[in-house]
Amino acid sequence: QKEVEQNSGPLSVPEGAIASLNCTYSDRGSQSFFWYRQYSGKSPELIMSIYSNGDKEDGRFTAQLNKASQYVSLLIRDSQPSDSATYLCAVPPWRDSNYQLIWGAGTKLIIKP
Amino acid sequence: DAEITQSPRHKITETGRQVTLACHQTWNHNNMFWYRQDLGHGLRLIHYSYGVQDTNKGEVSDGYSVSRSNTEDLPLTLESAASSQTSVYFCASSDRTGSYNEQFFGPGTRLTVL
Repeated sequence: QKEVEQNSGPLSVPEGAIASLNCTYSDRGSQSFFWYRQYSGKSPELIMSIYSNGDKEDGRFTAQLNKASQYVSLLIRDSQPSDSATYLCAVPPWRDSNYQLIWGAGTKLIIKP
Repeated sequence: DAEITQSPRHKITETGRQVTLACHQTWNHNNMFWYRQDLGHGLRLIHYSYGVQDTNKGEVSDGYSVSRSNTEDLPLTLESAASSQTSVYFCASSDRTGSYNEQFFGPGTRLTVL
């Protein structure tokens, strides 16, 4: 069974520090990877997509992909209290043309002022 | 601006009643999905559709049904509500023309079955 694994947390990080969130996936052929942020009581919001090995930076967010090791990470620099949320990792299965996503259970991030 | 709306946002119903949750998107996306989210389970796929008249069962489809009569709407029906169906329900959509599968979510419906 194809799986996406995340540490459920909570991960507590001081304000201004770097928050590092990790996600591992089982389908070696997966080609694209997504990070969603979900505030308490709200819906998931796409914040980062990454499709090739290496790093992708968007403002304070950096997604890192290592296909050989089958993990994708999200770094949040200069963490702010507004970054406190649950972060969901999502991966579409390879050779599956049905447009579904396999979801991790999410990591709860708490930024301490 | 394109968006996905869900209604109602909150619903309280009784066991055994039929309930329909609405999802409407103006993205003109072909793909639409219904998820439920419960503590400890993350997002679980209930039903999905890849176009008009197309519907498919997800991993937790028992007790639920959907129909797709147009591109914009995918209503979710609980045929006979059970307390185990108390949850938060999210509708999402994605564009079939791309190959990257990004899904965009509606605001959710919180359903309580008493």
